[in-house]
Amino acid sequence: DTAVSQTPKYLVTQMGNDKSIKCEQNLGHDTMYWYKQDSKKFLKIMFSYNNKELIINETVPNRFSPKSPDKAHLNLHINSLELGDSAVYFCASSQYPGGEQFFGPGTRLTVL
Amino acid sequence: LAKTTQPISMDSYEGQEVNITCSHNNIATNDYITWYQQFPSQGPRFIIQGYKTKVTNEVASLFIPADRKSSTLSLPRVSLSDTAVYYCLVGLYYGGSQGNLIFGKGTKLSVKP
Repeated sequence: DTAVSQTPKYLVTQMGNDKSIKCEQNLGHDTMYWYKQDSKKFLKIMFSYNNKELIINETVPNRFSPKSPDKAHLNLHINSLELGDSAVYFCASSQYPGGEQFFGPGTRLTVL
Repeated sequence: LAKTTQPISMDSYEGQEVNITCSHNNIATNDYITWYQQFPSQGPRFIIQGYKTKVTNEVASLFIPADRKSSTLSLPRVSLSDTAVYYCLVGLYYGGSQGNLIFGKGTKLSVKP
């Protein structure tokens, strides 16, 4: 059983399109996160939800919108995709904010 | 916000002890220090977490001085499979409605035979 899963694993799309990445965790954790890892491997947090409440909202373009329908899911929707959005996006979860995080396998987004 | 600084890369040989230091001069009182390991094409994996002094688990030790402005991850007797990128993370641990989690830029460890 995969603890933290993301779909899709690869996403190739054109500039200007809207896309979503889904994340699910079966660990019973209360906190979930979205990270962006660029080509230089810098890992930057984008959002974090705790019990479906947004607790971390870093400086991210408004085109990015997280949505947590329940504690086990945190989806990321991206509008009007740009070339600079190309990166690997990781979802993670932890039992509480800042606790040990379990990461998903990542979604490699390529914007053409 | 705590900013973290790590060496970009380190080389070692099998069987040696490796120490990777992370500087976090502006660490806040409530911040914990966590280290993650990342292999290519995989998500980061938790190694160890601590607040002060020394923490040890089955894979690593974490040394944190009294002023908490730095921390050192110690990997005993590394093997080729320890070749990876190691990230230092500083941020909230318990509670807090608003958290900040700052990852370092990672240290690429290369272990040679």
